[in-house]
Amino acid sequence: NAGVTQTPKFQVLKTGQSMTLQCAQDMNHEYMSWYRQDPGMGLRLIHYSVGAGITDQGEVPNGYNVSRSTTEDFPLRLLSAAPSQTSVYFCASSHPTGVAADTQYFGPGTRLTVL
Amino acid sequence: DQQVKQNSPSLSVQEGRISILNCDYTNSMFDYFLWYKKYPAEGPTFLISISSIKDKNEDGRFTVFLNKSAKHLSLHIVPSQPGDSAVYFCAAYTGGGNKLTFGTGTQLKVEL
Repeated sequence: NAGVTQTPKFQVLKTGQSMTLQCAQDMNHEYMSWYRQDPGMGLRLIHYSVGAGITDQGEVPNGYNVSRSTTEDFPLRLLSAAPSQTSVYFCASSHPTGVAADTQYFGPGTRLTVL
Repeated sequence: DQQVKQNSPSLSVQEGRISILNCDYTNSMFDYFLWYKKYPAEGPTFLISISSIKDKNEDGRFTVFLNKSAKHLSLHIVPSQPGDSAVYFCAAYTGGGNKLTFGTGTQLKVEL
């Protein structure tokens, strides 16, 4: 199993550009989520999904869109990039609470810089 | 509002000694706590967890202690090894959801 994969590893955008961060998992996990990590802030939840076709907002959703058309994929879209979105983005997946919920697997991250 | 706090951004310990990483929380609805370890340029990896119905959980060199009345948990690493040098995040769940709330992290450095 590849686990959780994320592409690209690095990206530089100009203000106002849009892009999609890709996330895929091959563990048949129902739950997937996106976090951003900023210095001194820990990881903060952006959006999450409890299954295909179901998404919801996390703590810091503004400026981001998600969709979940398949169990495997959970892309994160930046609609109009802003310098405040410069961060490291992590995708994670797990089974639902009550079924080994503590084993939330994280991808290697995407480092995004917005100029 | 930081619901999970790690007040020590860094900690330095000698190899073989005990490392104690601390975490405080404010939300009394949290019922499951976890520690994640993160190396540079990698995603966090799960280390150890504890349910709110327990006050201690051990896994090899790692022990997590939970004091619910003080809303405090700690991670003990004994003995500390150079490979333990990483950022450690405390995180918490509320029942019925997989949404993790993370602390800000503590950079542990284990020196030879």
